[in-house]
Amino acid sequence: DVKVTQSSRYLVKRTGEKVFLECVQDMDHENMFWYRQDPGLGLRLIYFSYDVKMKEKGDIPEGYSVSREKKERFSLILESASTNQTSMYLCASRSFSGTGLYEQYFGPGTRLTVT
Amino acid sequence: QKEVEQNSGPLSVPEGAIASLNCTYSDRVSQSFFWYRQYSGKSPELIMSIYSNGDKEDGRFTAQLNKASQYVSLLIRDSQPSDSATYLCAVANAGNNRKLIWGLGTSLAVNP
Repeated sequence: DVKVTQSSRYLVKRTGEKVFLECVQDMDHENMFWYRQDPGLGLRLIYFSYDVKMKEKGDIPEGYSVSREKKERFSLILESASTNQTSMYLCASRSFSGTGLYEQYFGPGTRLTVT
Repeated sequence: QKEVEQNSGPLSVPEGAIASLNCTYSDRVSQSFFWYRQYSGKSPELIMSIYSNGDKEDGRFTAQLNKASQYVSLLIRDSQPSDSATYLCAVANAGNNRKLIWGLGTSLAVNP
């Protein structure tokens, strides 16, 4: 079974703090993703990474950065947390299934509250 | 703007009935299609994937794909209260990165 873990299930931070969200997968997947999910807005892609040290902006990268120094770990960084970054953050990794499909698997999520 | 549309629901069905969830997409060259189930407060869980026209069955779940009409559906047979969740449709674009475009989900309630 694919295993994607995230460092925290719940996190409370103050406005202006630097926040690190960690994600680890154990399936040797090349591709990893960070999303946020908000009611009425659905899943929105923040950043993704095709491989180690490679990253690309998603649809809403402003206020975020990422780091991928090792294949299994993909970190999301909130440089200076703001209240509008209160959200559920979801990490995902992706494999090629061998049947022509890239299947994406999610971690349990981190519910971040910025006060 | 490439889009994936789902009826938000809630879709309410009695226990034992067939639940039918639909999804339409705008990008004609989309290649692969996914259904995720998401329980309240949890992360999405992949339940079905399909890339060929026609039906694909897995247990009580059947995914149906019609590329000409640009829709994909999910049928849940013998619905159980434990199937009550939000079902997300996702479509992969045709480019090399195959990013997923997500629908907002359909809420399903299975009533005992």
